[in-house]
Order: sequence, then C-alpha cells, then structure tokens
Amino acid sequence: QVQLQESGPGLVKPSETLSLTCTVSGGSITHYYYNWIRQPPGKGLEWIGYIYYDGSTKYNPSLESRVTISMDTSNDQFSLKLRSVTAADTAVYFCATHLGYRDGFDLWGPGTVVTVSS
Amino acid sequence: DIQMTQSPSSLSASVGDRVTITCRASQGIRIELGWYQQKPGKAPKRLIYGASSLQSGVPSRFSGSGSGTEFTLTITSLQPEDFATYFCLQYNSYPRTFGGGTKVEVK
Repeated sequence: QVQLQESGPGLVKPSETLSLTCTVSGGSITHYYYNWIRQPPGKGLEWIGYIYYDGSTKYNPSLESRVTISMDTSNDQFSLKLRSVTAADTAVYFCATHLGYRDGFDLWGPGTVVTVSS
Repeated sequence: DIQMTQSPSSLSASVGDRVTITCRASQGIRIELGWYQQKPGKAPKRLIYGASSLQSGVPSRFSGSGSGTEFTLTITSLQPEDFATYFCLQYNSYPRTFGGGTKVEVK
C-alpha cells in the first residue's frame, strides 16, 4: 500500500528558505500528480502546487513567486522549497497525490509542522 | 479562485445521531467535489469523490450529494470513530480550494 511521509526541519528562520521532502513508500513515483498543501494554525487548507511525473509544475498564484517543487524519481521523493519565509508561513505542510489533472487528492501524508521564528 | 464556504464550523453530536455538513461553492463546479475526514496527526482520508461516490473501504453511513454550487455530506448513525474534522475540496479548477472545515465533537 502506497504511503506518503513528509520530512524536514521543524523550525525555519524568517527570510530563509523552507525545504521539505515527501517520500513515497510502498510503491514508486509514477504517473501521478504530486502536491503540497498547507494549513496555518487555526486556518483552512491552502493548495501550494504540484509537480507531475513529467516534471511539469503548477503553483498557486498567491505563492508562485516564492515556490519551487521538484522531483527525485530515483529516490521516490518530491520536494518543496519556499523562499523568504515569514511567520505567516508557519503551518502544517502536507503532501498529497492525485491520478489525473482533473482529479481530487486521493492520498495524503500525515503532515509536518513548520514554525517560522527567529 | 473558487471560494468554498463550509457550514457549520463545528457541531456537537451523540453516537447514533444523523449529521449533515454543507459546502457551498462561489461558482458552479459540476460534481468535482470531494469530502475528507481529518484526525489530529493523521493523514486526511478521502470519503467521497465526484460529490456522491463513496471511496472504497469507507462505511456506507457516509454519503454525499449535490451538484453545481451546493453539496452535502451526511453521516447516518454517527459512530465513536467519526468524531473528527471534515472538509470539502473543489477540484473543478486551479487553484484547488477547500472548505474551512467542520469539527464534529461529542455532545
């Protein structure tokens, strides 16, 4: 059974770059869309963006200028980089997948907490 | 962006109760809506896709309905394991957007 697991530093300083990795276990990275989603404390979920198996990406316009999502198929991982972070980027970050461009998320990781603070 | 308005934000219920949660989209999304269950520290779990299709393995006490702009998740006969937060997701267009969530608590 395929599972997703987020990993990365739990604390990032303001103005620095947040870097997270999602590892796909129980299967290999294949023709899916691989997404990042976040949930600030006490707030709703926000879609950050996706990378497709072919390397193409789409980002939320609200974050596009600061976000890069990449993929490492040899290690069955995909990653998020969010630059110039502020306290507003403090959130639980989730990775999630879907099969088709027009599909909803069918599998999620449990999430990882990232706090932006000096 | 499509705004998803979910109500109520929280509710108190007892085991055996019927629970109804609503999501309203700011524009028509056909049936491109999913419902998810979220428990603390756990991966969100998809319950419903295509507004009314039950995800494999999900108990039949969960059901979804609606199309266009109005959608409903119903839990008939609430079970102890159903106390959780529920949220909707529209996948009609990008950026994907979510309802604000409904926390189902013990009365």
